Amino acid sequence: RKEVEQDPGPFNVPEGATVAFNCTYSNSASQSFFWYRQDCRKEPKLLMSVYSSGNEDGRFTAQLNRASQYISLLIRDSKLSDSATYLCVVNYGDYGGSQGNLIFGKGTKLSVKP
Amino acid sequence: NAGVMQNPRHLVRRRGQEARLRCSPMKGHSHVYWYRQLPEEGLKFMVYLQKENIIDESGMPKERFSAEFPKEGPSILRIQQVVRGDSAAYFCASSPGTSGTGNEQYFGPGTRLTVT
Repeated sequence: RKEVEQDPGPFNVPEGATVAFNCTYSNSASQSFFWYRQDCRKEPKLLMSVYSSGNEDGRFTAQLNRASQYISLLIRDSKLSDSATYLCVVNYGDYGGSQGNLIFGKGTKLSVKP
Repeated sequence: NAGVMQNPRHLVRRRGQEARLRCSPMKGHSHVYWYRQLPEEGLKFMVYLQKENIIDESGMPKERFSAEFPKEGPSILRIQQVVRGDSAAYFCASSPGTSGTGNEQYFGPGTRLTVT
């Protein structure tokens, strides 16, 4: 079983739509959670950290369910500029001595059309 | 505040040559990570370093690959005797710490290595 699993998409949505991405992770010791976005042939850019209480940043809302080992990202009122690949990322923290490294999902591709 | 810097952005090497990739972390960040992204694949962790120390190299291939982060200067990822399978994008990230919001990692633009 992959450590971080995401639906690869693509999700093709019209401008203004609401779209949700889901992600599951296999290691219950995971301590930190993030969403990154990656544009074609560019570096990943941190979109938001995901906290147990859930958090919102403008049109973006992230939720974490530790019991189900599930993370979600909701994008409201989607814009053309939201077209990218969204990466679900976990970090084990100090578990097993791994400390800092991030475990990436393969990403979900979003295409917002006019 | 300059972000993470990597150079070169593009590197072409023939099989058997050496590749040296450089990374300067964000100002104030002392933790450096290297990741590799093969075409159509997700990013894979390679190595985590602090100044003069390798903290975790569990993702590094056992042969031909090495990394350092000297007291002065950038972090270097070195690949000896490159093979075609080494062709990939190599990303460096940095963070100010490893706990709380300090473990948020910020990525450089990457070095795209092509082995011919």
